[in-house]
Amino acid sequence: GVTQSPTHLIKTRGQQVTLRCSSQSGHNTVSWYQQALGQGPQFIFQYYREEENGRGNFPPRFSGLQFPNDSSELNVNALELDDSALYLCASSFQGGQPQHFGDGTRLSIL
Amino acid sequence: QKEVEQDPGPLSVPEGAIVSLNCTYSNSAFQYFMWYRQYSRKGPELLMYTYSSGNKEDGRFTAQVDKSSKYISLFIRDSQPSDSATYLCAMSASSGGGADGLTFGKGTHLIIQP
Repeated sequence: GVTQSPTHLIKTRGQQVTLRCSSQSGHNTVSWYQQALGQGPQFIFQYYREEENGRGNFPPRFSGLQFPNDSSELNVNALELDDSALYLCASSFQGGQPQHFGDGTRLSIL
Repeated sequence: QKEVEQDPGPLSVPEGAIVSLNCTYSNSAFQYFMWYRQYSRKGPELLMYTYSSGNKEDGRFTAQVDKSSKYISLFIRDSQPSDSATYLCAMSASSGGGADGLTFGKGTHLIIQP
C-alpha cells in the first residue's frame, strides 16, 4: 500500500517542512492533497514520471519531487498557521486506475 | 457554489438500516466517480469506483450515478456499527484523477447505532 512519514509533525510559523511518501509498487503517478479539519481533501499537485503534470490552487511555496524508486516528497516553505492540516499522498497507475491513499501526515503549525 | 456539494451530517441510523449518502456536482466534465470511507486518524479508503452513469454493486454497497441530474449516491445495506465513519464522494474528468486531481465533497459523518 501507500505509506507516509512522519505520522505527526509540529512546526512553527516561517519554518520549512518535508513530508515523505512511498507509493504502491508499480504505480507511476503520485498526487498530494491537503485536508483541513472537517473538510474534504484539496488537490495540491500530481507527479507523473518525476515531472509535475498538474497543480491545484496552491502557491509555489508548495513543491514536490518524485523519485524512480516509488518514493516522493512534499516540501512546504515559509509555513503559515493555515497550513495546519492532514497531508495525504495518493498513488495510481496512469491510464485508468483509481487513486489509493496513505494515512497521511498531520502537520501542526504553532 | 462549490463544485461538489455533500451534506456533512452527522447522519445517525440504527444497525441494520439502509443508508443513503448523496452528492451533487456542477461540473459536467466529471466522468469518473468514487466513494471513499475515512475512519478517524486514517486516510481515505476506496469503496467504489464508477465511470459515467449507471449502477455498480459490491457486497452491501451500491453506487449510482445520474449524470443528467449531476447526482451520485451510495447505498449501504444491512448497516453495521463498523460502517461508522466519514464517507467522501470524489470525482474527476480523467481516469486516475488526471492533471486536475480529484474533487472531493466535504464528507458525510455516518453513525450506526448498535
